[in-house]
Amino acid sequence: NAGVTQTPKFQVLKTGQSMTLQCAQDMNHNSMYWYRQDPGMGLRLIYYSASEGTTDKGEVPNGYNVSRLNKREFSLRLESAAPSQTSVYFCASIDYPPGQSNYGYTFGSGTRLTVV
Amino acid sequence: GQSLEQPSEVTAVEGAIVQINCTYQTSGFYGLSWYQQHDGGAPTFLSYNALDGLEETGRFSSFLSRSDSYGYLLLQELQMKDSASYFCAATTGGFKTIFGAGTRLFVKA
Repeated sequence: NAGVTQTPKFQVLKTGQSMTLQCAQDMNHNSMYWYRQDPGMGLRLIYYSASEGTTDKGEVPNGYNVSRLNKREFSLRLESAAPSQTSVYFCASIDYPPGQSNYGYTFGSGTRLTVV
Repeated sequence: GQSLEQPSEVTAVEGAIVQINCTYQTSGFYGLSWYQQHDGGAPTFLSYNALDGLEETGRFSSFLSRSDSYGYLLLQELQMKDSASYFCAATTGGFKTIFGAGTRLFVKA
């Protein structure tokens, strides 16, 4: 099925460890995003890639890095995990620019990350 | 700063109609969208309003007033499966979409 695929689905890290969250979309969308979701705080943008070859910071970029590997793939790296990064991470894609209707993200199923 | 405000919780009875309001304060506004998220799941796209007025998709409708920086999601003929969190989101300039904190809808039998 067409959509956004994220791996892994669950991960437990120790403080200071590093890891990369993978995301791939097969809808030929030009823009991809990484969000984190914490209880009661909605979705907050970490980094985004408007198009292949570009990346930009969102609201909460500290402690993260990203790579837009090609049009399909957009990875998120935690270099030195901290307990404050315990969250659910969602990757999303969309075909920018916005049109008149049906302009909505397709989200991956999420990665539930716990840092101890 | 940029922000969206929506109620934290709404409770309604099965078969009823419920309206979830959203006010926004953003720059470079393109449109307002709505997402549904069940516990443990990913957000799924419901609707997008770029122009003022009402958009209807089955039991769900969404409204936008750009002059009032206001929108709402209307859910009709509520079903138990509609119990979920609903997020409004504003698409701004610079390829970004900002989400509200979400409204948790409880549907009672």
